Amino acid sequence: RKEVEQDPGPFNVPEGATVAFNCTYSNSASQSFFWYRQDCRKEPKLLMSVYSSGNEDGRFTAQLNRASQYISLLIRDSKLSDSATYLCVVISSGAGSYQLTFGKGTKLSVIP
Amino acid sequence: DAGVIQSPRHEVTEMGQEVTLRCKPISGHDYLFWYRQTMMRGLELLIYFNNNVPIDDSGMPEDRFSAKMPNASFSTLKIQPSEPRDSAVYFCASNRGGPTNEKLFFGSGTQLSVL
Repeated sequence: RKEVEQDPGPFNVPEGATVAFNCTYSNSASQSFFWYRQDCRKEPKLLMSVYSSGNEDGRFTAQLNRASQYISLLIRDSKLSDSATYLCVVISSGAGSYQLTFGKGTKLSVIP
Repeated sequence: DAGVIQSPRHEVTEMGQEVTLRCKPISGHDYLFWYRQTMMRGLELLIYFNNNVPIDDSGMPEDRFSAKMPNASFSTLKIQPSEPRDSAVYFCASNRGGPTNEKLFFGSGTQLSVL
């Protein structure tokens, strides 16, 4: 099983729709979780952190389910500008060091 | 600040040639990371440095790859000899605090094509 797995998509949704992505991780000792956004032919940029209690930033909600080892990202009222690839990131510790692992990303296309 | 600066933006070379990718991290950042991104494998960590010292190079694919950081403001990733399977986007990133700090500042990347 891969360390961090995401459905590659693409998710094609109309403007205004609500869309959700999941990301599963295999290391039960993983400590921290995040979502990055990567626009086409651009570098990844941090979107938001994922806290145990869940967190919300405007139209974006991130949640963590430790029992089932997945994190989720919910986007409400999708905008054309939300079209991008969303990468989940997991920070794990082991053998005296930390590892920051990216998923391969889920591609979202918001269509007019 | 100008952000993380990478050069060149695009590199096209022939199999067997040496390729050198360059990176200037954000001033004051003590960690520098080299990543490779492909459709098949996603974003893979190759190596990272702390205060110019390589900490974890377990992601470097093979001896053809080498990375250096001679000072706090410059790093290189070298591939010699290059092969077509090395074709990818190579990103450099920097931050304060290393892998426990989720906020990585990425450069614009180098698109490498090995023919």
